[in-house]
Amino acid sequence: AQSVTQLGSHVSVSEGALVLLRCNYSSSVPPYLFWYVQYPNQGLQLLLKYTSAATLVKGINGFEAEFKKSETSFHLTKPSAHMSDAAEYFCAVSVDSSASKIIFGSGTRLSIRP
Amino acid sequence: EPEVTQTPSHQVTQMGQEVILRCVPISNHLYFYWYRQILGQKVEFLVSFYNNEISEKSEIFDDQFSVERPDGSNFTLKIRSTKLEDSAMYFCASSGSSGSTDTQYFGPGTRLTVL
Repeated sequence: AQSVTQLGSHVSVSEGALVLLRCNYSSSVPPYLFWYVQYPNQGLQLLLKYTSAATLVKGINGFEAEFKKSETSFHLTKPSAHMSDAAEYFCAVSVDSSASKIIFGSGTRLSIRP
Repeated sequence: EPEVTQTPSHQVTQMGQEVILRCVPISNHLYFYWYRQILGQKVEFLVSFYNNEISEKSEIFDDQFSVERPDGSNFTLKIRSTKLEDSAMYFCASSGSSGSTDTQYFGPGTRLTVL
């Protein structure tokens, strides 16, 4: 069975500060890992995905995530937070990049302080 | 850029009524999905659909739920007799193929409110 755990349901950072959203996964097979963002009253937008190629994955809006097998982690980072980054972020795992169900974490709400 | 669309954006219904949520996946995609998100909770997988049949379904997807691809463009989720606990945001997703080169693209969701 696969699962993801997101540490921290709410993270607050100052504008310009580093963003770090934590995600740990559990998978019996090599996982595909994703970060999705959900802005208020909108759908899910893919930020980035790991598909067993490079362990450091760059996504949209300046976000990146690093797959660390030894730590079973896939933390999301951004060097400098913008006000527009305020949203809900979901880490997710699948056995296949596209054809299988995606298992989502419980989400982390990111707030940005002026 | 192609996108998944969903209608309606908000559906209000009485308990016990049937509802049909509609989705138009990206036109050349072959795999289709429904997920739901109860307010304040995580996004949950409901069902996947490929080649005109269900590929996988979750425990949530009981006999009250059904999916259909009635034509070449629409993908629908029907709830036969809605319950209060069916109130949620329902997301449709589609992908083009299996394997590591493709991604599931999500629609904006339909908010279902059961009174």
